[in-house]
Amino acid sequence: ILNVEQSPQSLHVQEGDSTNFTCSFPSSNFYALHWYRWETAKSPEALFVMTLNGDEKKKGRISATLNTKEGYSYLYIKGSQPEDSATYLCAFYYSGNTGKLIFGQGTTLQVKP
Amino acid sequence: ETGVTQTPRHLVMGMTNKKSLKCEQHLGHNAMYWYKQSAKKPLELMFVYNFKEQTENNSVPSRFSPECPNSSHLFLHLHTLQPEDSALYLCASSPRDSTYEQYFGPGTRLTVT
Repeated sequence: ILNVEQSPQSLHVQEGDSTNFTCSFPSSNFYALHWYRWETAKSPEALFVMTLNGDEKKKGRISATLNTKEGYSYLYIKGSQPEDSATYLCAFYYSGNTGKLIFGQGTTLQVKP
Repeated sequence: ETGVTQTPRHLVMGMTNKKSLKCEQHLGHNAMYWYKQSAKKPLELMFVYNFKEQTENNSVPSRFSPECPNSSHLFLHLHTLQPEDSALYLCASSPRDSTYEQYFGPGTRLTVT
């Protein structure tokens, strides 16, 4: 059974703090790793799709790294703001299937002003 | 606004009813997806369509019946559902397979009574 684990499950930080979360996934048959941000009452929104080992992507204050050999990805948020409050989902796409993304349970971030 | 719309946004139905969920995208994407989000569970893929052909059925019970008449529209026909089918149903699309980011609709909140 393919499993994607995210930690921590939830996180409360103060405005201005930097934070990071972890996504663990099977290291075999890797094809792509997705990160999504899901705000309450909105649609999940893609942040990054990463395919290469060692890849690092950045969007504003948010960045992500990928290690496919050991099966993990980190998402970093620098200087958290209240508008960063959301659930952050990662999803694993493995080779040999026909489009099936396997999602983790998400990390819910609450940024206090 | 992601370019993916879903109707209705909320649906309450009895176990003997037949209803349909509709998803529409005008992004020119060729892959469309149905997901189920149950309380306290990861987002779970149900069906994948690529170029109007179903390429993935994630062991979904036959009381859920998808239909993809063209690349822009996706339906989920529901009949004789159970209360445990109550969940948020999300539609998504992507240019092709899951090496591309997915664009999600706002979801349909389904309650089965």
